[in-house]
Amino acid sequence: GAGVSQSPSNKVTEKGKDVELRCDPISGHTALYWYRQSLGQGLEFLIYFQGNSAPDKSGLPSDRFSAERTGGSVSTLTIQRTQQEDSAVYLCAITSYNEQFFGPGTRLTVL
Amino acid sequence: GENVEQHPSTLSVQEGDSAVIKCTYSDSASNYFPWYKQELGKGPQLIIDIRSNVGEKKDQRIAVTLNKTAKHFSLHITETQPEDSAVYFCAASRPGGSTLGRLYFGRGTQLTVWP
Repeated sequence: GAGVSQSPSNKVTEKGKDVELRCDPISGHTALYWYRQSLGQGLEFLIYFQGNSAPDKSGLPSDRFSAERTGGSVSTLTIQRTQQEDSAVYLCAITSYNEQFFGPGTRLTVL
Repeated sequence: GENVEQHPSTLSVQEGDSAVIKCTYSDSASNYFPWYKQELGKGPQLIIDIRSNVGEKKDQRIAVTLNKTAKHFSLHITETQPEDSAVYFCAASRPGGSTLGRLYFGRGTQLTVWP
């Protein structure tokens, strides 16, 4: 989507390895979100950053998942010791003018 | 928390016919209801949204209606075209501080438009 880029577009990793997924939003956004979409499923909320407030981590499925946002802009989602059930498309979204826009996603495959 | 239900899960229509997708929500504090279109291999694209202070909004062939009392909202696509084929998601959100809160999504509707 316009205003949000994600990298890599595809990531294949082996079970047990750590991965980092990156989100580059446009400047001026007011909030940043991570969602996960498993094959044929809806979108599952993971974490949400707004301003300088503590992030809402209520959607993170386990302590293997973490995210940070540096300088109020770029965000990285880290998954440690990946499991096969982590395979999904990870989507970053931003809020701009009170509407939410999604990036193209990173497809993660854990072998 | 909020619970959003979406029906139907699949919908097939003939080109030129109308398509209607319905969603219900549970949290009366929700005040923002967007609809997203997702094509294969792409991220969801915002196509229309409605806020709780209005009952209907139209944008060319697409319209959304909201019934706050019944807690349901619907997407209407008229004069469907094959390029409307995609998965459509509804969502609901309550205010999140000074900006939009997280979105709660329905499970999606696979719309197929046959030429």
